Amino acid sequence: EAGVTQSPTHLIKTRGQQVTLRCSPISGHTSVYWYQQALGLGLQFLLWYDEGEERNRGNFPPRFSGRQFPNYSSELNVNALELEDSALYLCASSLVVSTDTQYFGPGTRLTVL
Amino acid sequence: GQQLNQSPQSMFIQEGEDVSMNCTSSSIFNTWLWYKQDPGEGPVLLIALYKAGELTSNGRLTAQFGITRKDSFLNISASIPSDVGIYFCAGRLGNEKLTFGTGTRLTIIP
Repeated sequence: EAGVTQSPTHLIKTRGQQVTLRCSPISGHTSVYWYQQALGLGLQFLLWYDEGEERNRGNFPPRFSGRQFPNYSSELNVNALELEDSALYLCASSLVVSTDTQYFGPGTRLTVL
Repeated sequence: GQQLNQSPQSMFIQEGEDVSMNCTSSSIFNTWLWYKQDPGEGPVLLIALYKAGELTSNGRLTAQFGITRKDSFLNISASIPSDVGIYFCAGRLGNEKLTFGTGTRLTIIP
């Protein structure tokens, strides 16, 4: 069974640009989560989607947004990129919101110059 | 955002040694998870705990769900080079989002 997949694997952007990251959950999983992990730091929760709806949002500015599609895949959009947005962006999925564990993808490494 | 307090922050051990790390929270959880992250990759789930007092093993790894529901422990026996990485704990209460620990970086000294 395929795990969580993310694309692209690496991305280099400049300040002020916009970026879209993509995530495909494990087949059958309906919940998708996005995390930001700056170099050497822990995971900071960004967004949580379940059945196409945004369920929760972390303490990030509105220029971080996303959506979940009917096939449960998800996009994370970041507008007006800033240098401190450079990080590993991780997507995770779970089968059932309340009781199941999250499984992570390999991440997208975003570098903002 | 909120994070769990994980200790130690880093560990330097020799191959073959046993490792212990823990995670504490100011609030209770009903799920504790332990993940390992290799450089440049996403975290991989090691052990999941769903009941206070529960002790679960996965090979050389053993984790416990603290009886107070505010802490969890992870032990690694007879460490080997591939154990190197960052270990994260994560806790959840009910339908709330997962809260992650700050991570313990494990390094094995040759």
